[in-house]
Order: sequence, then structure tokens, then C-alpha cells
Amino acid sequence: SQTIHQWPATLVQPVGSPLSLECTVEGTSNPNLYWYRQAAGRGLQLLFYSVGIGQISSEVPQNLSASRPQDRQFILSSKKLLLSDSGFYLCAWAGTFNNSPLHFGNGTRLTVT
Amino acid sequence: KQEVTQIPAALSVPEGENLVLNCSFTDSAIYNLQWFRQDPGKGLTSLLLIQSSQREQTSGRLNASLDKSSGRSTLYIAASQPGDSATYLCAVTQAGTALIFGKGTTLSVSS
Repeated sequence: SQTIHQWPATLVQPVGSPLSLECTVEGTSNPNLYWYRQAAGRGLQLLFYSVGIGQISSEVPQNLSASRPQDRQFILSSKKLLLSDSGFYLCAWAGTFNNSPLHFGNGTRLTVT
Repeated sequence: KQEVTQIPAALSVPEGENLVLNCSFTDSAIYNLQWFRQDPGKGLTSLLLIQSSQREQTSGRLNASLDKSSGRSTLYIAASQPGDSATYLCAVTQAGTALIFGKGTTLSVSS
């Protein structure tokens, strides 16, 4: 069966510090991978998605970036965090066909102080 | 641009009551609609996926319907239980983009 791992679960970082969140998927090949952010009182915002190694699409311009160095690994990064980067970050994967359901990791709660 | 709306934002019901959560979307050109559950501080769990060619899907006490032409979906929960308390989100899939989510309905079931 497929599983998705996301870490860390919680993170407190000062403004201006770097960020690296990692997500890995097991039990499937060539998944579509996604990073979402959920801010308090707001809906889920798609940040990045990837349909293959090295293929990253950005939905929202910001100081975050994403990389996919391996087929089942997706990394969310920032060189300098802003206060507005605080939120709940969720990684997700889906199969490559249009009606594949989306499966989420347990999320990372990021607080920028 | 696709917009997904969920009404109400919050709902409180006594245990045992049947209830309906609503989801509407502005662009009917979707591949599918998915309902999720989110417990506080947790990720999302997929409940039901309805393909654009389908009218409904059922899983246990949950039944989701889809009326693509009118841009509406409902999630029916039968005989609600305190364990059903969570936020329920709907999302649609379209060509060329990832899922677009509503803001969710927070359900509270009291015993």
C-alpha cells in the first residue's frame, strides 16, 4: 500500500532563517506531488505541484521554492522566512490519471517568530 | 477561474441527526469532485471521490452526490456521531491544475 511521510510535524523558526520541509511517498511510482498551505481561517492554497523529477509548477509567487530531486521526494524550501510564511503545510500525492484521488501527509505546523 | 464555496462554514447538531453539507463550484468543466475530512491539526483524509460522469458515491454512512450542470455537490451523513466532528472540505479537479478546495464546513456533533 502507498504511504506518504512528511516531516517535521512542527517547526518554530525565526524571521530570516532558512526552511526545508521534506515529503516522501512509498509504494507507488511517478506520482504527482503537491505542496499546499493552510493559513488560519483560510482555505487550502496550492503552492507547487510536480508531475515528474525536476518538473515544478508554481501557483503563487512568493519567497518559497520547491524541488523534486527523486521520483518520490518533494522538498519545500525558503532562503529567508517571513512572518507571513507561518501556517500549516501539507504535502500530497496522486496518481497520474485524472480521476486519481489525492492523499495527504499529516502536515507541518510552521510558526515564524 | 474556478471557485469552490461551502455553506455553512460551521454546523452544530445533536448526535443521531442526519445532516447535509453543501459544496458549489462555478465552472462545471471538472474531472471529479472529492470530499475530505480534516481533524484539528491533522492532514486531510479522502472520504469519497465522484467522477464527472457519476451522480453519487456511498461509503458507509456517507453519501455524496454530484450535479455537475448546476455546479453542486452534497455530502449526506446519516445518524451522526460525536466522532464525525471535524472539518469537511470539498475539492474539484480540472484540466491543467491541481485540486481547488473550498474553505470547509466545521461540523460539531454533541452527545
